[in-house]
Amino acid sequence: GAVVSQHPSWVICKSGTSVKIECRSLDFQATTMFWYRQFPKQSLMLMATSNEGSKATYEQGVEKDKFLINHASLTLSTLTVTSAHPEDSSFYICSARSRRVQETQYFGPGTRLLVL
Amino acid sequence: SQQGEEDPQALSIQEGENATMNCSYKTSINNLQWYRQNSGRGLVHLILIRSNEREKHSGRLRVTLDTSKKSSSLLITASRAADTASYFCATAQMNRDDKIIFGKGTRLHILP
Repeated sequence: GAVVSQHPSWVICKSGTSVKIECRSLDFQATTMFWYRQFPKQSLMLMATSNEGSKATYEQGVEKDKFLINHASLTLSTLTVTSAHPEDSSFYICSARSRRVQETQYFGPGTRLLVL
Repeated sequence: SQQGEEDPQALSIQEGENATMNCSYKTSINNLQWYRQNSGRGLVHLILIRSNEREKHSGRLRVTLDTSKKSSSLLITASRAADTASYFCATAQMNRDDKIIFGKGTRLHILP
């Protein structure tokens, strides 16, 4: 089946630094990628939708200047958490929708971010 | 924003029993999907049911969809310890670029 990877799988950083998370579709082309955030014992909250070659669409309440999304190619999207603070500590999950099978999204394994 | 509401929020049953989880949603959908998530891990896609389908089976899983009531159920038969996880329903909304919006989830615990 289709595989989506994320890198890194976990990261610890100091408050004020920026962290970049990569999401790659390994064996298919992804026209659209999605970024979710999940706090402990809670559900996944959609943060933004990114389409290859265009600006990301952010959900209400998500700061686009803080969470920079770049979808540079059909297999790679990146999420940069700028000037991270402890409240940004969370589990970040991406998903990718295949160009061929559009109704299914394939999820990455997630990246756990801890901001000290 | 959350679309689905699962109930119960938490469920503990004995191994071998059946587990039923329900999901309600608010808007018109293209399809509804169920996912499993083990603690601290990524999501596993279980099953997708389209808006024109009423029931679907996959192994020990049975999903129903009632679009008139905007609800779905997930039944796991003959539960096993390995089924212990959180289960989420997620809806692909019409006219929303097929964004998948997740419900709050049900934490299922299978007792040995």
